[in-house]
Amino acid sequence: AQSVAQPEDQVNVAEGNPLTVKCTYSVSGNPYLFWYVQYPNRGLQFLLKYITGDNLVKGSYGFEAEFNKSQTSFHLKKPSALVSDSALYFCAVRDISTDKLIFGTGTRLQVFP
Amino acid sequence: GAVVSQHPSWVICKSGTSVKIECRSLDFQATTMFWYRQFPKQSLMLMATSNEGSKATYEQGVEKDKFLINHASLTLSTLTVTSAHPEDSSFYICSAIIRGRLPYTDTQYFGPGTRLTVL
Repeated sequence: AQSVAQPEDQVNVAEGNPLTVKCTYSVSGNPYLFWYVQYPNRGLQFLLKYITGDNLVKGSYGFEAEFNKSQTSFHLKKPSALVSDSALYFCAVRDISTDKLIFGTGTRLQVFP
Repeated sequence: GAVVSQHPSWVICKSGTSVKIECRSLDFQATTMFWYRQFPKQSLMLMATSNEGSKATYEQGVEKDKFLINHASLTLSTLTVTSAHPEDSSFYICSAIIRGRLPYTDTQYFGPGTRLTVL
């Protein structure tokens, strides 16, 4: 069965510092991995995805994620955090046979000025 | 591109009434849409998969007679919460798939959500 894990409920970082939001996956076959961000009382916004190719994926708003097959991880990163990045971040893996996305439990990112 | 809208954005209703939520793909055709439910500070729970022109596929534990889903066109899916009760109060989010050149390049885009409060 496909699954993703987000081990941190919350990540705190000072504005201007680099940020990392962790995600590990467990899949049978090739992983199709996604990151979404959710602002309060809003739906999810697509940030980036890994399908194949380069292990470093660049996405929206300056975010990037590094696919690491040996560590089965897909951590979300940004070189310099902004207060406006404070939100709930979800990692997800796509089950290609059903089109379903399997979500992690989410990580709340808090960026302090 | 890739805009998914939902209407209404919030609704308050009395217990026992039915509420319809619309999900539209504004700039693309979506043969497949999904309906999720999200409780406070929790992840999304998939309720059902909606395919245009066919019956929805419900996840285990979701009452199909309570949560009626209709996907009448390539740009519109509706979720009707029938005989709503306070425990149905939640944040409901829909999504739609943009089909890529190959199946594994598909991306799911989400609507802004509908907050339902049942009194």
